[in-house]
Amino acid sequence: NAGVTQTPKFQVLKTGQSMTLQCAQDMNHNSMYWYRQDPGMGLRLIYYSASEGTTDKGEVPNGYNVSRLNKREFSLRLESAAPSQTSVYFCASRSPLAGSNEQFFGPGTRLTVL
Amino acid sequence: EDKVVQSPLSLVVHEGDTVTLNCSYEVTNFRSLLWYKQEKKAPTFLFMLTSSGIEKKSGRLSSILDKKELFSILNITATQTGDSAIYLCAVSNFGNEKLTFGTGTRLTIIP
Repeated sequence: NAGVTQTPKFQVLKTGQSMTLQCAQDMNHNSMYWYRQDPGMGLRLIYYSASEGTTDKGEVPNGYNVSRLNKREFSLRLESAAPSQTSVYFCASRSPLAGSNEQFFGPGTRLTVL
Repeated sequence: EDKVVQSPLSLVVHEGDTVTLNCSYEVTNFRSLLWYKQEKKAPTFLFMLTSSGIEKKSGRLSSILDKKELFSILNITATQTGDSAIYLCAVSNFGNEKLTFGTGTRLTIIP
């Protein structure tokens, strides 16, 4: 099992460019999440998907869109990148075990917007 | 809105010392509290706590939850340089699928 995978690992964009961050999990988890992590801010939830076909906004959704393509894949799109979106982005999926809230994280994407 | 506050924000100790990290929270309809360790990359799961007063232990790490006073502590005894990391606390509620994270405590162990 690869767990949660993310591509790319690093990306540099110019202001106004668009890009899609890809995430996939092979653990048959229903719920998937996108977070951003900035210095001194902890992990902040951007969007999440409780199941295939559903998505919901998190704490900081502005400037982002998501697609839950199927049970395995959950992508995050920046339509017009801004310097304020410079951050490390983590994708996660949640264990379906009854009573468990454990989330498994991907390795992250470091995005710089110039 | 759920809220998690961790203290201290950063801590520097010598190898062999014991440290205590704090996490206080405000949650509507509390479900669980989780601790994660983050080294250079992705956070990795340490503990999930749901009941007051029951200590979870893994090697030199242990954690306990107080649901009356709304806090948890993470203890690390006989610290090693490999314990240097950011330690994140998160809470969940029964209303949704989300975790709310604190800002983390950055722990540095000096050899």
